Order: sequence, then C-alpha cells, then structure tokens
Amino acid sequence: RKEVEQDPGPFNVPEGATVAFNCTYSNSASQSFFWYRQDCRKEPKLLMSVYSSGNEDGRFTAQLNRASQYISLLIRDSKLSDSATYLCAHASGGSYIPTFGRGTSLIVHP
Amino acid sequence: DAGVTQSPTHLIKTRGQHVTLRCSPISGHKSVSWYQQVLGQGPQFIFQYYEKEERGRGNFPDRFSARQFPNYSSELNVNALLLGDSALYLCASSQNTEAFFGQGTRLTVV
Repeated sequence: RKEVEQDPGPFNVPEGATVAFNCTYSNSASQSFFWYRQDCRKEPKLLMSVYSSGNEDGRFTAQLNRASQYISLLIRDSKLSDSATYLCAHASGGSYIPTFGRGTSLIVHP
Repeated sequence: DAGVTQSPTHLIKTRGQHVTLRCSPISGHKSVSWYQQVLGQGPQFIFQYYEKEERGRGNFPDRFSARQFPNYSSELNVNALLLGDSALYLCASSQNTEAFFGQGTRLTVV
C-alpha cells in the first residue's frame, strides 16, 4: 500500500460548484499534513497546513480524520483559476520530510 | 524576499553523463530537501539536509548524491545518467514543518 493515496481524477466541475478531495495515509505516526497546489509544469505551492482537526482559509477547508487516516480538501464556489493539481502530503513526527501523493487533477469549466 | 532559487531551469544531457543541480534556500532556512517528479506522479523524496548533515535519504540509487554548504545552499549530483532520470527536480526549503519549493530544474536525458 502506498504511503499516501489520492484519486488522480480529473474532477471536472462547473464554476461555482463545491468539490471535495480525499487523501488517505498509511503511517499512523504522521503528525503534519499539507495540501499543495501545482499548476502545469510549475512547482508545488503550499496551500494549507493541517495540524489538528482542520483548517479553513477563505473558500478552502481542510479536515483531518486521524481515526480513519485521511485528510480532505473542500473548495467552495470554484473559480476557473482553481484548475490545477492538488497534492496532499504528510510528515512523521520529527522528520519534517513531507511524503506526497500523486495528486488530484481539478478542472473548473465555465 | 527571495524564495527558493534553483539553477539551471532546463538542462539536456546525454545518457552516461553527469549533472549537478543547484539550490539556494529561503534566507534563514537551514533545511533543504530534494525531490524528483515525473509526469503524472507526485514529488518523490531523494535527500534532506539540515545544517550540512544528511537527515534523510529516499529510495534512489547511489548514482544520486547531494551536499549542503555552510551558506545552506545545496547541490544534487547524478552520475551515469539514464533515460529514466528525465524529470523535474525540485528543491524545497524549510524552517520547521512547512516546505517551500523552488521552480525546479527540468532535466531531459537523451
């Protein structure tokens, strides 16, 4: 089983829609969780860090479920500019070495 | 403030050659990590350095090596290049748990 698993998609949604991605992780010792956004042929950019049960930043909400070992990212009122690949990552305590999933592709259309 | 800078941005090499990639972290960040990203996959961890010491190594062959200098910049070296080494090589800088990426070096091996 891979350390971090994500549905590669693509998720194809209209503008204004709400979309959610899930990401499961296998290491129960993981303490830090992250969502990154990556545009085509660009570097990943940190979108949100999740250290406790969840985090919210504007239209974006990340939630952590330690019992089921998954984190989710909810995007409300999708914009065309939200089209990108969303990578989830986790780091075990003390290592500070994020391990990434393969990413989920989101396409927001007019 | 300058972010993470990597050089070169693009590189074409022939099989069997050697390559050196360079990275300067964000000012004040003492940790540098290297990742390899092939198309359609998430970044795969290669090395992490902190205060010039190797802190972690991913599942890559001995052809891959790295080092960190007193000013915290870093080099990734790859010997005896294979076609399969063609990828985007990303450097990430961190101060605690959050990693910030440079724009990457796109290596093509022909």
